[in-house]
Amino acid sequence: SQKIEQNSEALNIQEGKTATLTCNYTNYSPAYLQWYRQDPGRGPVFLLLIRENEKEKRKERLKVTFDTTLKQSLFHITASQPADSATYLCALEGNTGFQKLVFGTGTRLLVSP
Amino acid sequence: GAGVSQSPRYKVAKRGQDVALRCDPISGHVSLFWYQQALGQGPEFLTYFQNEAQLDKSGLPSDRFFAERPEGSVSTLKIQRTQQEDSAVYLCASSLSPDTQETQYFGPGTRLLVL
Repeated sequence: SQKIEQNSEALNIQEGKTATLTCNYTNYSPAYLQWYRQDPGRGPVFLLLIRENEKEKRKERLKVTFDTTLKQSLFHITASQPADSATYLCALEGNTGFQKLVFGTGTRLLVSP
Repeated sequence: GAGVSQSPRYKVAKRGQDVALRCDPISGHVSLFWYQQALGQGPEFLTYFQNEAQLDKSGLPSDRFFAERPEGSVSTLKIQRTQQEDSAVYLCASSLSPDTQETQYFGPGTRLLVL
């Protein structure tokens, strides 16, 4: 069956360091992958989309890579700040012809001052 | 402009009670989604509307769950005879078009607790 895995343990890093979050998937051939941020008590907020033919995408301090051979995406936040503390979700399109997203469980990031 | 809004934000129901959750999508958005998010998990797809047409309801857990979007804007998710396992956050999302790579905008969710 289709499966998306993200580190369930929280990632603790110091302010100014680079945070790297991992998303692995099996039994999928997604055309694209998305990353979302979710704060407590709020809905997910879209951050970045990367297509299968793109190796890397950047937006300000964010960088996403997509390796369709390894079936893995890495999400990097450089020069991390306490305000970056949140849960980060990866999502794949579900091969249905519309935007049906299948989400991972999310990884909680804690950035300490 | 206004984002996606949901009401109520919190709902406590006794087991067996019926509940109705409302979603107001961004004006003009064609696509509307409902997701269920259990504690510590990612959102799980429930159902999808394109305008007023419900094109996919494969994620609805049982026939106690029913969703509608009669005029292609506001949507209601109804859960009949609620059970404790229905306790979760119910998220609504909308997007401008049915294009597969269109951004989905999420509401804040309704937190449902069934006692």
